[in-house]
Amino acid sequence: QKEVEQDPGPLSVPEGAIVSLNCTYSNSAFQYFMWYRQYSRKGPELLMYTYSSGNKEDGRFTAQVDKSSKYISLFIRDSQPSDSATYLCAFHTGGFKTIFGAGTRLFVKA
Amino acid sequence: ETGVTQSPTHLIKTRGQQVTLRCSSQSGHNTVSWYQQALGQGPQFIFQYYREEENGRGNFPPRFSGLQFPNYSSELNVNALELDDSALYLCASLAGGSTGELFFGEGSRLTVL
Repeated sequence: QKEVEQDPGPLSVPEGAIVSLNCTYSNSAFQYFMWYRQYSRKGPELLMYTYSSGNKEDGRFTAQVDKSSKYISLFIRDSQPSDSATYLCAFHTGGFKTIFGAGTRLFVKA
Repeated sequence: ETGVTQSPTHLIKTRGQQVTLRCSSQSGHNTVSWYQQALGQGPQFIFQYYREEENGRGNFPPRFSGLQFPNYSSELNVNALELDDSALYLCASLAGGSTGELFFGEGSRLTVL
């Protein structure tokens, strides 16, 4: 079983749609849960960061963590063409490395 | 506040050669990590440097080595290049602590022929 599972997509949605991106994980030691956004030919940038179960909202973005199910989600409301990117879930135990999912490619059509 | 900068942005090498990639950390960040991102994959942790010492390493062979300098800039060296080393190499700096919040540069894309 992989430590992190993330559907690579691609996911194509019309502008204005609600997008749901998901990851599952198997390592109970993960304490910090993150979402990074990576535009083509760029480095990843931190989008959302949480350390407990529940929801965290930032503008159009909501991160959700369910530690009991080992499942995290990122919701994007009112999606825009500028949201077209690869979204990487990421996990950290508090040690020295971050574990990334393979990334989901999202296309938002105008 | 300056961000993380990497050089070169692109380079092409042949199998067996050696390569050095460079990174300048974000101002105020004393920890730097290097990641390898193959096409269609997420970044994979190579190693981390704190105060000029390697303090964590992923599942990469010894031909991957690094340095961190007193100004917190860093180098990644790869010897005896193999075709599978073709990837985007990402440098990330951390403000300190162990929360995993990484600030990435734009990467160096290495192609090994």
